[in-house]
Amino acid sequence: QVQLVESGGGVVQPGGSLRLSCAASGFTFSTYAMHWVRQAPGKGLEWVACIQSDGSIKKYADSVKGRFTISRDNPKNTLNLQMNSLRPDDTALYYCAKDLRGSWASDYWGQGTLVTVSS
Amino acid sequence: QSALTQPPSVSGSPGQSVTISCTGTSSDVGNYNRVSWYQQPPGTAPKLMIYEVTNRPSGVPDRFSGSKSGNTAFLTISGLQAEDEADYYCSSYTSSSTWVFGGGTKLTVL
Repeated sequence: QVQLVESGGGVVQPGGSLRLSCAASGFTFSTYAMHWVRQAPGKGLEWVACIQSDGSIKKYADSVKGRFTISRDNPKNTLNLQMNSLRPDDTALYYCAKDLRGSWASDYWGQGTLVTVSS
Repeated sequence: QSALTQPPSVSGSPGQSVTISCTGTSSDVGNYNRVSWYQQPPGTAPKLMIYEVTNRPSGVPDRFSGSKSGNTAFLTISGLQAEDEADYYCSSYTSSSTWVFGGGTKLTVL
């Protein structure tokens, strides 16, 4: 069965950095685009970034462009999100999600990893 | 990348039907059939309910249906059940090759 397990969340000061990872299993990771989606406490879903199956194309939300970098390691079935210059409004539960065959819908989601940006 | 517009809340009694709207623009909902809907009960990860406007993943009851007219997409839940109570989010592909979500709608089953 498909499993997505995020890790790397924690508490970081404003201006700091954090690297999130998502371990994927139960499907052929290298053939699917992947997304990061976040949810601030008590708020709605916000798309963060997407990476194509071979890593050649990456897209970002305006709110994180230039600060966050999405990457993937297909042989290790791992999705990453490098987050720099973190701000308090980046505080959220970060989900990794599998794309449904190019439809820009996600059929599987992890349970999320919490990032708190606070001094 | 403005969020899609959803009503903050809707409600209905068991057995009734409810419809949640999701309004975008010609740069997203109006021009692409890559609209999806997610159900999120409190404290859980989102679950895909509808993709590509009208398609249901396997395991989703046929009480859930999707449609679109112009720049607005709709999720209809018929035969409402207590277990349907949750937050619902729409999303759409955009002309900037990005993804945008709606603000979410809280469904209350009376």
